[in-house]
Amino acid sequence: GAGVSQSPSNKVTEKGKDVELRCDPISGHTALYWYRQSLGQGLEFLIYFQGNSAPDKSGLPSDRFSAERTGGSVSTLTIQRTQQEDSAVYLCASSLPSGQGNGYTFGSGTRLTVV
Amino acid sequence: DAKTTQPTSMDCAEGRAANLPCNHSTISGNEYVYWYRQIHSQGPQYIIHGLKNNETNEMASLIITEDRKSSTLILPHATLRDTAVYYCIVRRYNFNKFYFGSGTKLNVKP
Repeated sequence: GAGVSQSPSNKVTEKGKDVELRCDPISGHTALYWYRQSLGQGLEFLIYFQGNSAPDKSGLPSDRFSAERTGGSVSTLTIQRTQQEDSAVYLCASSLPSGQGNGYTFGSGTRLTVV
Repeated sequence: DAKTTQPTSMDCAEGRAANLPCNHSTISGNEYVYWYRQIHSQGPQYIIHGLKNNETNEMASLIITEDRKSSTLILPHATLRDTAVYYCIVRRYNFNKFYFGSGTKLNVKP
């Protein structure tokens, strides 16, 4: 597509429930990244995909967080047993293979609220 | 990746040039300087990047000092729509992630 698409744009969930966040990158972008941004804070790196593999998962805050990517395209970030501190905007970005082009293109994010 | 230091906030009058400084005194020879901005409720947007030469594109100019320890992003004629948080980031060109600091909140005023 023309840009990075994320869905849903907003998600309200009850504490303890699982959520899935979806990212559809720009066609041809083999690198995909997940970040999160808490209210008033900077961006926190979560995970990086090159193709379907994730060589860098160092930012995932706990084992409740996982992500996968299939077909070198769509990625899903799953948060199990959500907690209130998981409330944030989850941003996805894609790029040409690392080191090429002009950096990332970000989506508009998914605003997750855990109540 | 080298750490960057930016002022927390800046004001600029509409139509005037906005000059946003960034200090990256520990930058190494293979690290590039990137600038992104984030308008409220949107994902960050790429602006410009450079290694050691000054760069210009349709959005902005990037001036990097000769010793590469600091840089300035210049928006030549700021508009109200340029109000955003501006992030200065340094990273190796083939490295896979950006570290976003706190950035500079630019307030463009009429």
